[in-house]
Amino acid sequence: DAKTTQPPSMDCAEGRAANLPCNHSTISGNEYVYWYRQIHSQGPQYIIHGLKNNETNEMASLIITEDRKSSTLILPHATLRDTAVYYCIVRQGGSEKLVFGKGTKLTVNP
Amino acid sequence: SQTIHQWPATLVQPVGSPLSLECTVEGTSNPNLYWYRQAAGRGLQLLFYSIGIDQISSEVPQNLSASRPQDRQFILSSKKLLLSDSGFYLCAWSLQLNTEAFFGQGTRLTVV
Repeated sequence: DAKTTQPPSMDCAEGRAANLPCNHSTISGNEYVYWYRQIHSQGPQYIIHGLKNNETNEMASLIITEDRKSSTLILPHATLRDTAVYYCIVRQGGSEKLVFGKGTKLTVNP
Repeated sequence: SQTIHQWPATLVQPVGSPLSLECTVEGTSNPNLYWYRQAAGRGLQLLFYSIGIDQISSEVPQNLSASRPQDRQFILSSKKLLLSDSGFYLCAWSLQLNTEAFFGQGTRLTVV
């Protein structure tokens, strides 16, 4: 089973920042945190991943707490097209498995 | 650049019929390959993953099987489909540990 906990749903106003939290209190030292999103009826899309340091790319920013037990995905200016299910994933025990949890359904409202 | 192909996009099959879904990856070598299933309104369930030819791990006991006859080809099969096999099937690939995975566009299977 996935080792992450996310709120089932969140709402965000268009143009505002969307902050999606994820708890991964049992994360091991060599495990990365990944974020994906799935827009309805499509395959999941990779967003970002990180180990210890905060990461930023053209899609989002990833903030990882110092103890690595939680992280936050930030979409700085949410648009209607960002409405999707967002998955926070921790690679299990350094294996090749990639196990998804239930994710957070983010709805961006006009 | 790397691409992943998955077909067909949609499929309607009667109960008890066989199934074969194919996934191929181009532009990379020795990828890790994955099959997922998503039932209507549910999350993604990992079914199989493979780290090499003929090296396949099954995550969930079921009437499905997977094969990897070539490095960049991953096939999901069933001898006799059940109604509960309906869902959205996704293939994905990644390189070694700690790299992102890339997904195909999926096959929507309806067993009737």
